[in-house]
Amino acid sequence: GAVVSQHPSRVICKSGTSVKIECRSLDFQATTMFWYRQFPKQSLMLMATSNEGSKATYEQGVEKDKFLINHASLTLSTLTVTSAHPEDSSFYICSARRLAGITFDEQFFGPGTRLTVL
Amino acid sequence: KNEVEQSPQNLTAQEGEFITINCSYSVGISALHWLQQHPGGGIVSLFMLSSGKKKHGRLIATINIQEKHSSLHITASHPRDSAVYICAVRSEGSQGNLIFGKGTKLSVKP
Repeated sequence: GAVVSQHPSRVICKSGTSVKIECRSLDFQATTMFWYRQFPKQSLMLMATSNEGSKATYEQGVEKDKFLINHASLTLSTLTVTSAHPEDSSFYICSARRLAGITFDEQFFGPGTRLTVL
Repeated sequence: KNEVEQSPQNLTAQEGEFITINCSYSVGISALHWLQQHPGGGIVSLFMLSSGKKKHGRLIATINIQEKHSSLHITASHPRDSAVYICAVRSEGSQGNLIFGKGTKLSVKP
């Protein structure tokens, strides 16, 4: 099956610093990439949706100036958590969607990035 | 009430048992996903289905569109099947974002 990678898998940073997380679709071109956040024992929460070459669409309550998304190409999207604070500590998961037919598409998930802000 | 409900929330089984996890949803969907999340956090897509039934190894997924219900079955369960199983539906409409259930935590004892 298709593979989505994330880097880094784990990051610990000091409060106030910025952290960049990369998401790559390794063997396919993604029409759309999604960024999710998951708190312990909770379900995934969609943060934003991005399409290559256009601005990301953020979900209500997600600060676009804090969570910067750059979708540079059909295989790469980055999420930058700016001026991170302890409450930003979470598990961040990216997902990539590809077209599998005229009206059929598939969505694949990355392994996630665990962010801990001290 | 959540748009996607899973049951049970937690499930403990003995190795070899047949396992069923249920998912009910209340919105119109174009597809339904079953995902597996291991303790390390990574998510694996097990199935995507919009009708009928799919089988992959010991895993079987079924969906009844009229009843808005899907089941994930695991035959001959094994301790390595221990994980959180998440049902997610793709809502109808142009964005078609996934709506996730809260997951079912499965623990298979040897």
